[in-house]
Parts: sequence; C-alpha cells; structure tokens
Amino acid sequence: GDSVTQMEGPVTLSEEAFLTINCTYTATGYPSLFWYVQYPGEGLQLLLKATKADDKGSNKGFEATYRKETTSFHLEKGSVQVSDSAVYFCALSPMNSGYSTLTFGKGTMLLVSP
Amino acid sequence: DVKVTQSSRYLVKRTGEKVFLECVQDMDHENMFWYRQDPGLGLRLIYFSYDVKMKEKGDIPEGYSVSREKKERFSLILESASTNQTSMYLCGSAGLNIQYFGAGTRLSVL
Repeated sequence: GDSVTQMEGPVTLSEEAFLTINCTYTATGYPSLFWYVQYPGEGLQLLLKATKADDKGSNKGFEATYRKETTSFHLEKGSVQVSDSAVYFCALSPMNSGYSTLTFGKGTMLLVSP
Repeated sequence: DVKVTQSSRYLVKRTGEKVFLECVQDMDHENMFWYRQDPGLGLRLIYFSYDVKMKEKGDIPEGYSVSREKKERFSLILESASTNQTSMYLCGSAGLNIQYFGAGTRLSVL
C-alpha cells in the first residue's frame, strides 16, 4: 500500500538557519503530494502542494519539489523564524482518488530558538 | 475560507461511556473524514464519508462508528469508550483534492 516516510524529529535550529525536512513516498502512478503544518494546540493547515512531477509548491517562504525519480518531496526554507516552530506532516493522495483520502507521514517537530 | 468546526476541544469520559464527537463544515464538501493522532504514529484514518449516509472504513475503524445524516455534519461515535481510545481526534472535509481540518478534540478516557 501507499506510505510516506519522514525524518524523525525534533529538528532543532536557531533563527535564520536553513531548514530541510526529508520526505519520501511509496505509491503507484503519480500521487498528489502535500505538506501540512500543525501549530501548538491547533489542527492541521495546508502549507503547500504539488500535483505532478517537477512541480514546486511554495508558501510563506517554504518550498518543496515533486521528484518522481527519487520519490521525494523534501520541505525547505532558507531562513526559519521562531514562529515556524510546529509539527510538519508530509502526505500523499493517490492518483485518481475520488475521495481525496490522504496517507500521512508520522510528522516532524521543528523547534526554532531565538 | 473553509471552516471545519469540532464541537469540543477537550473531553473527559469514563470507560464504557458512549461518546459522540461532532464535526461541521461550511463548504458543501462531499467528502469528510475522521482521523486520530497519536505521538509517533502520525494521523491514522478511522472512517470517511463521500456522501450523506455513505461511509467507508479507514485504516483503524475498530471500536468506532460514524453517522452522516446531513451533508455538513459528520459524527464519530465511540460505542463503549476504552482507555486506548484516549487520543487527539481530527475531523476534515475535502474539496478539489485538498483536505481542511478542524482544531481537533483531545479525548481522555479514564
């Protein structure tokens, strides 16, 4: 079945550092790929998405590129802020999923210190 | 903006109680979902619904049931709560292949 693997956290960075959170997936065909973010005490919010190979999703300074050849969708940000501290989830939706179901990774906690 | 509202942020229940978790969305979405979130396990799909009165089991449906009598409302039911159902429960609805989530209900079963 489909699966998503994320690097384990927590990832601890100082403000203005470069961020990478790795995400790889297993799925047939061309799934849609997503990053969701969960701030403390809140539900999940969509951060960015990509629906086909070589697409780059971007939002709030975060970017991720859909790499079919390496089945990856790594999240990057050039300069993190304390307010980026949250849990980040990589997810996929199977190709032709009429129900929009998602398979999530286990999440990666990011802690940014001043 | 899409709004998904879960009726309670925190609930404390006793073992054996019947528990209802309510979720309402305001975007006329066909698809709605219930997940539970546990540390180290991420989000796991319990049930989803693709239309009124229609439902499908997710990955971990045991011990749960659902009800969708109206398009905007999707309820998760714990028929007889057990301590291993202590968790964070997240409701979502989906449109155009994007899922939107409520703030979650943290349920403790004592």
